[in-house]
Order: sequence, then C-alpha cells, then structure tokens
Amino acid sequence: DAMVIQNPRYQVTQFGKPVTLSCSQTLNHNVMYWYQQKSSQAPKLLFHYYDKDFNNEADTPDNFQSRRPNTSFCFLDIRSPGLGDAAMYLCATSRKRTSGTRTDTQYFGPGTRLTVL
Amino acid sequence: AQTVTQSQPEMSVQEAETVTLSCTYDTSESDYYLFWYKQPPSRQMILVIRQEAYKQQNATENRFSVNFQKAAKSFSLKISDSQLGDAAMYFCAYRSAEKETSGSRLTFGEGTQLTVNP
Repeated sequence: DAMVIQNPRYQVTQFGKPVTLSCSQTLNHNVMYWYQQKSSQAPKLLFHYYDKDFNNEADTPDNFQSRRPNTSFCFLDIRSPGLGDAAMYLCATSRKRTSGTRTDTQYFGPGTRLTVL
Repeated sequence: AQTVTQSQPEMSVQEAETVTLSCTYDTSESDYYLFWYKQPPSRQMILVIRQEAYKQQNATENRFSVNFQKAAKSFSLKISDSQLGDAAMYFCAYRSAEKETSGSRLTFGEGTQLTVNP
C-alpha cells in the first residue's frame, strides 16, 4: 500500500546533540510537510517542501532544518535539541496542484516521538 | 489569518449512540477545504472526512457525516453508531485552496477528546 513512513518511531537524544528524523513516501506526492506536536496540542507546521522549493514558517526556530534529496525522502534536522523540543514530529504529504486538479488532503505518517535527556 | 475553534475540549458518548463534535472557523476566503482528522493514542493522524467549500452537499463517509454551514462558518462532525474504536482526539482543520504555496498550510483547531463508553 502507498504510504508515508517515518523512522525511527521513537528517538532519544541528549541535550545539544544533533538528531535527524526521516520521512519517506510511496505516494509520489510533490509536497512534504513537517509538523511538531506537543502533548495535548494541535500540530504546528514547521516547514514544507513544494517540490524542491523550501517554505519555512516564520516562527520556526533556526535550530530546525530540513533536507529533501529526492521526491521520496525528507529529513528533519535538529541541530542542538533543547528540552523544549521534545515532541511528536509528524510528516505529511500531499499532491501538487496541476491544471485541472486541486491539491487538498494531507496524508500523515505515524510520527516520531522525540525525547531529549 | 484563518482560525479554527473547537469549543469542546472533551466529549463522551455511549457505544452505539450518536455524537456531534463542533467546529467553527474564521476566514475571508471563499475557496477552501475543511477536514476532520482523528488521532488515536498511537498518535497516527488519520483523515476521517473532508469537505470542499464550493460543494453545498454535506460530505459523508459511512458512519461519519458533516454539517457544513458556509455562511455561519460552521463544520460539525456527526458520528453515528459510535464504536469503541472511535475513541480518539479529533481535530478540525482548514486549508486554503486559493493560493497553492501559501495555501499548503493546515490550520488546526485545538482538538476534542472523544471518549466512547461501553
């Protein structure tokens, strides 16, 4: 089945130690998103890639970076994790709008739960 | 900027009964999408139902249906014949359809935690 995959599902890192979270998709979607979700809160968009074009949210800290080496993969890099970065990180994808179509639904991966010690 | 409000932090329903979750939103746009997502304890965000603003007909998906009132900017979710597996956090979300890159953002409500009692 076509899907969005996130690895690892659980990640433990130390304060200040760089960490990378991975997302891959078999949906052949052009747009990929990274959300941060803290306990009992709604997901918050960090950034998204529209094909190769990177779109950063205005309030996303510089500590968060992203890479998209190809259509299928997208990475979230946290350069120096702080205790406040402990959260669930959700990757999502959607289709690109083309003539005669509308992009709409975002499909989410299972998430990576990040713990910072 | 668009906002989405879910005024019910928690709701409960008896198994096999019907429950309605409320959602209101604020926007100046005329073309947009609305979604209900379900997030069980596993934290997987699962699409429940979606509605395109230009469609007057309310969307339905099996036991799930919406009451979309565009003029009132209201988008409630009705779950019929509730099952234990419906227990989850439910998020209402808005997405603009007018501008592709700026419209890619999903704006979520704060969520409603639904408990289903046996």
